[in-house]
Amino acid sequence: NAGVTQTPKFQVLKTGQSMTLQCAQDMNHEYMSWYRQDPGMGLRLIHYSVGAGITDQGEVPNGYNVSRSTTEDFPLRLLSAAPSQTSVYFCASSYSSGGKKTQYFGPGTRLLVL
Amino acid sequence: RKEVEQDPGPFNVPEGATVAFNCTYSNSASQSFFWYRQDCRKEPKLLMSVYSSGNEDGRFTAQLNRASQYISLLIRDSKLSDSATYLCAVTYNDMRFGAGTRLTVKP
Repeated sequence: NAGVTQTPKFQVLKTGQSMTLQCAQDMNHEYMSWYRQDPGMGLRLIHYSVGAGITDQGEVPNGYNVSRSTTEDFPLRLLSAAPSQTSVYFCASSYSSGGKKTQYFGPGTRLLVL
Repeated sequence: RKEVEQDPGPFNVPEGATVAFNCTYSNSASQSFFWYRQDCRKEPKLLMSVYSSGNEDGRFTAQLNRASQYISLLIRDSKLSDSATYLCAVTYNDMRFGAGTRLTVKP
């Protein structure tokens, strides 16, 4: 299993540009999520999905869109990038067992918005 | 108030020391609790789950205090390789993280 994969690893955007961060998992996990990580702020949840066709907002959803058309893929879209969206983005997928949810992270995408 | 709070550190300890981290959470309905380890410029990786009765994995001991709403991680006999940032995580409908505590173990 490849686990959770993310592309691209690095990206530089200009303010106002749009882009999609890709995330895929091959573990057949129902639950997937996107986090951003900024210095001193820890990981903040952007959006999450409990299964194909179902998404919900996390702590910091503004400026981001998601969709979940398949179990495997959970792309994150920035419609009009802003410098405040400069961050490291982590995608994660998880499964539940015995009432506990175990989460696995992708390697991250480093985004710089100029 | 953040849902999950940690002392950011940094903690600088000598090899062989015992070090403890605490993490508090605000949602009393939280269901699951975890400690993650994150190395510089890498993704977080699950270190251990935290069970109500407390649990141990080698040199690492995790404990949960539901009444006071905090979890703890104890590392005994610290190694250089333990140097990392330790994140606590709490789940209810989704998983929320603390900002992390940075640990540096020195020779």
